[in-house]
Amino acid sequence: DTAVSQTPKYLVTQMGNDKSIKCEQNLGHDTMYWYKQDSKKFLKIMFSYNNKELIINETVPNRFSPKSPDKAHLNLHINSLELGDSAVYFCASSQASSGTGNTIYFGEGSWLTVV
Amino acid sequence: GQQVMQIPQYQHVQEGEDFTTYCNSSTTLSNIQWYKQRPGGHPVFLIQLVKSGEVKKQKRLTFQFGEAKKNSSLHITATQTTDVGTYFCAIDNYQLIWGAGTKLIIKP
Repeated sequence: DTAVSQTPKYLVTQMGNDKSIKCEQNLGHDTMYWYKQDSKKFLKIMFSYNNKELIINETVPNRFSPKSPDKAHLNLHINSLELGDSAVYFCASSQASSGTGNTIYFGEGSWLTVV
Repeated sequence: GQQVMQIPQYQHVQEGEDFTTYCNSSTTLSNIQWYKQRPGGHPVFLIQLVKSGEVKKQKRLTFQFGEAKKNSSLHITATQTTDVGTYFCAIDNYQLIWGAGTKLIIKP
């Protein structure tokens, strides 16, 4: 069984559309994240949730809205998609939000292309 | 905020040559982690270093944590095609702070 699974894996959509990416982890972790990786491979954290509560909200356009219905799920909804939103979005989880031994487990990524 | 500088951005090597990537911080680190991301894949945890001067090995990979806990390196001996990918360091400061990554490219 995949530890961190996210869907869809590939998404091609037009500018202005709204789309969602879903993520689930079966590791029993308390903390989940959304990362954005651009074409230069920079990993940028977008959001972090601990036990369904938002704990990190980096400078991200408010068109991006995360939702965590329970600690095993963290979804990402994007409104009014723009060309610059094209990237790979990784969902991830860890046992705790910080501290020694806080290994991050990533999903396989969702490749978003806005045309 | 705290940052970590990772160099080089790219390293081209012939298969069989060695590869090294470095991470540096201006402040003392509590720990540092290393991840590998294969082309088209996702970052995968390799190892964590916690102690000053720590050296850990995984087959052909050697990880070092500086005595002052401000820098770390990953060295791969005799690279193979399976080593291709981007290697990231990450430091734990309330949230993980990621290096920019070093892409290992093997010359054809």
